Amino acid sequence: QQQVKQSPQSLIVQKGGISIINCAYENTAFDYFPWYQQFPGKGPALLIAIRPDVSEKKEGRFTISFNKSAKQFSLHIMDSQPGDSATYFCAALAGANNLFFGTGTRLTVIP
Amino acid sequence: DAGVIQSPRHEVTEMGQEVTLRCKPISGHNSLFWYRQTMMRGLELLIYFNNNVPIDDSGMPEDRFSAKMPNASFSTLKIQPSEPRDSAVYFCASSLYRGGSGQYFGPGTRLTVT
Repeated sequence: QQQVKQSPQSLIVQKGGISIINCAYENTAFDYFPWYQQFPGKGPALLIAIRPDVSEKKEGRFTISFNKSAKQFSLHIMDSQPGDSATYFCAALAGANNLFFGTGTRLTVIP
Repeated sequence: DAGVIQSPRHEVTEMGQEVTLRCKPISGHNSLFWYRQTMMRGLELLIYFNNNVPIDDSGMPEDRFSAKMPNASFSTLKIQPSEPRDSAVYFCASSLYRGGSGQYFGPGTRLTVT
């Protein structure tokens, strides 16, 4: 059973556009929601994370929007660049250390 | 900080052989995780340790897989005997226990079993 559902599976965006990746969860015990970025041949790298007591967190061009009542959160990449082309994973953590990952979104930013 | 270190980066072996993957977590981190990544199954948690103690190994696919963490700075994942379906990228990650700071991944070991 997939604890965190992620969509879309793949995404193509023009340079300068906004990339949006969505995730949903059911377990209300989750209290930490990180996003990871993975380039080919590399390990996933922590990109940005949010806790459910805030509705939005922004770091540069990357923003997490969090809707606690809907149990959904999303990653927005503003002014998308070709260098952002990677696979993005959302994840959720419940107190202990077992992170549950989404299935990933392969983002391609076209110049 | 050097980050999580894994070795080897690539391993090619024949079916039936023993394979040992190694990991050095980030200094000061007291939780360590082993993951497997494939196109078909995505990222799968195999096992994780807190303070060198295995906490959850329910993701270990079979008895052929075993993991140890003899001290805070070293862990191994062993597959004996290896099979072609074990071919995948194996990642080690570390974090602060209950730190909520996220897990930091190593570069991975690409295992190919022929």
